[in-house]
Amino acid sequence: NAGVTQTPKFQVLKTGQSMTLQCAQDMNHEYMSWYRQDPGMGLRLIHYSVGAGITDQGEVPNGYNVSRSTTEDFPLRLLSAAPSQTSVYFCASSYWGGRGPNTEAFFGQGTRLTVV
Amino acid sequence: AQTVTQSQPEMSVQEAETVTLSCTYDTSESNYYLFWYKQPPSRQMILVIRQEAYKQQNATENRFSVNFQKAAKSFSLKISDSQLGDTAMYFCAFITYNNNDMRFGAGTRLTVKP
Repeated sequence: NAGVTQTPKFQVLKTGQSMTLQCAQDMNHEYMSWYRQDPGMGLRLIHYSVGAGITDQGEVPNGYNVSRSTTEDFPLRLLSAAPSQTSVYFCASSYWGGRGPNTEAFFGQGTRLTVV
Repeated sequence: AQTVTQSQPEMSVQEAETVTLSCTYDTSESNYYLFWYKQPPSRQMILVIRQEAYKQQNATENRFSVNFQKAAKSFSLKISDSQLGDTAMYFCAFITYNNNDMRFGAGTRLTVKP
């Protein structure tokens, strides 16, 4: 079982470059999300989706775009990379029961992004 | 605002001993889920234990158990018979029925010493 597959694992960008972090899950989960992890701050929600065609902003959405054209895929786009976006990024998915997530979130392996 | 506070940035414990990690949270909602996640050096996020707020009974998973005090908004994790493989960052998190935003604490780095 693949679970949540996130690529790439490592990436170095120059300031101003754009890129897309890929995320795919094979568990038919409705709910998918992107987090960034910074030292001393835990994980913070960037964007999330409760189904194909539905996305919404989390706590720290600025500088990032998402789309959800299929249940399986939820890519995160950095529009113009900045050093402040240096972080570890996690994609996660979970079942969405309509009254709140009622199972655990499954996480990808993370992407360590450095913006120079 | 919904927040999670882990007041212990770092902790250490001797192998085979017991350790308790603290977590407090703040929400005005009454229906929510609480989680403890473990992040070893591999960076993978692994669910340790979960608790549904409407259940009064504390969750247990083998050597891991929680002390859930809903009125105090406290959700501590107890690790019994600590093993070297328990060395990791531990994150407390919660999510409410009405809010899609899962909130994480800043984490506690636990080191198990031989």
